[in-house]
Amino acid sequence: AQKVTQTQTSISVMEKTTVTMDCVYETQDSSYFLFWYKQTASGEIVFLIRQDSYKKENATVGHYSLNFQKPKSSIGLIITATQIEDSAVYFCAMREEDSSFSKLVFGQGTSLSVVP
Amino acid sequence: NAGVIQTPRHKVTGKGQEATLWCEPISGHSAVFWYRQTIVQGLEFLTYFRNQAPIDDSGMPKERFSAQMPNQSHSTLKIQSTQPQDSAVYLCASSFSDRVGNTLYFGEGSRLIVV
Repeated sequence: AQKVTQTQTSISVMEKTTVTMDCVYETQDSSYFLFWYKQTASGEIVFLIRQDSYKKENATVGHYSLNFQKPKSSIGLIITATQIEDSAVYFCAMREEDSSFSKLVFGQGTSLSVVP
Repeated sequence: NAGVIQTPRHKVTGKGQEATLWCEPISGHSAVFWYRQTIVQGLEFLTYFRNQAPIDDSGMPKERFSAQMPNQSHSTLKIQSTQPQDSAVYLCASSFSDRVGNTLYFGEGSRLIVV
């Protein structure tokens, strides 16, 4: 069964610095999709970035990028030049290609605080 | 473009009463998902629909919970005889299709409090 683990419960960083959030996953499938979402203070869950397992190149969107290490089953989220408004809870999630249905499984989340 | 719309945003209900939550998916999206979020369990999958048809409800509590999608523009999650442990944020998401490569887009959630 698929499983997603985020071991960092909370992180605090100074504004304008770079932060990396860790995520490891378990799957028996050779093809899968990894996603990062951000949950704001209002509760809204916003899609940020994704990595397809068959792609070797790390995904990048704006100031978000991924560190995909397939042999380690790891998908880290890197936020560069952090801003106060990046403060939120970040969730890693996975969907397996070969599942009989396409359930998205989430990690427990990492709370990020960006301070001035 | 409007995102996923969920109503009500907040609902307080007495123990034993019924609660119905509504979701309007993004227009053109054929897959609709329901999740529940609590501090203890995190984000849990409940059920999903493809083209209005229920496909998987493996995450739904077997009693008291039901979900429907009567048309392509809305889905409902109904909880009968609510209990305090049903207190949670219920999130609806939609995607263009339910193929695994598709991204889910979430609504802002409905916070249910059972007193």
